[in-house]
Amino acid sequence: QKEVEQDPGPLSVPEGAIVSLNCTYSNSAFQYFMWYRQYSRKGPELLMYTYSSGNKEDGRFTAQVDKSSKYISLFIRDSQPSDSATYLCAMTQETSGSRLTFGEGTQLTVNP
Amino acid sequence: DTGVSQNPRHKITKRGQNVTFRCDPISEHNRLYWYRQTLGQGPEFLTYFQNEAQLEKSRLLSDRFSAERPKGSFSTLEIQRTEQGDSAMYLCASSIGQPEAFFGQGTRLTVV
Repeated sequence: QKEVEQDPGPLSVPEGAIVSLNCTYSNSAFQYFMWYRQYSRKGPELLMYTYSSGNKEDGRFTAQVDKSSKYISLFIRDSQPSDSATYLCAMTQETSGSRLTFGEGTQLTVNP
Repeated sequence: DTGVSQNPRHKITKRGQNVTFRCDPISEHNRLYWYRQTLGQGPEFLTYFQNEAQLEKSRLLSDRFSAERPKGSFSTLEIQRTEQGDSAMYLCASSIGQPEAFFGQGTRLTVV
């Protein structure tokens, strides 16, 4: 069983839709959670970073962490065609920075 | 550009040849990471350095792989006697002691 599970999609939505992306994990030691966006043939770009349970909002993006359920989510409001990319969840145990464990990524297409 | 820089961006090599990739981290970032990503998968951790010390290596890093970070600045990743299974995107990331890491654009290796 993988430490981090993420539905690979693909997910296709119309422009303006609310998108929900999710990951589950099995290692209760994970404390720091990140979402990266990756365009085709590019490196991952950090979108959101959250610590422990709770919500964090940044513009059209909201990240949620539920440690009791070992479940994290990323919501994208008013989705745009430029949001079309692969979204990767990542997590780590240590505050000082250590290896990130990634999900396999969800491929999102926002249709105009 | 003050981001993580990786060179070359693309490398095609024949099976059995040696290849070397270079990563220049964000200035003053003391931690440097190497990950490998295959098509449709999330990045997998290979190794990381704090300054010039290599602190952790994944079991994915076989004895054909070696990484260095002389003087705690740039890093190189060498693959000896390349195999077709080594074809992947090799990603470098850096951080300054916080959980989130910033990635370069990657080096895409194709072994023919």
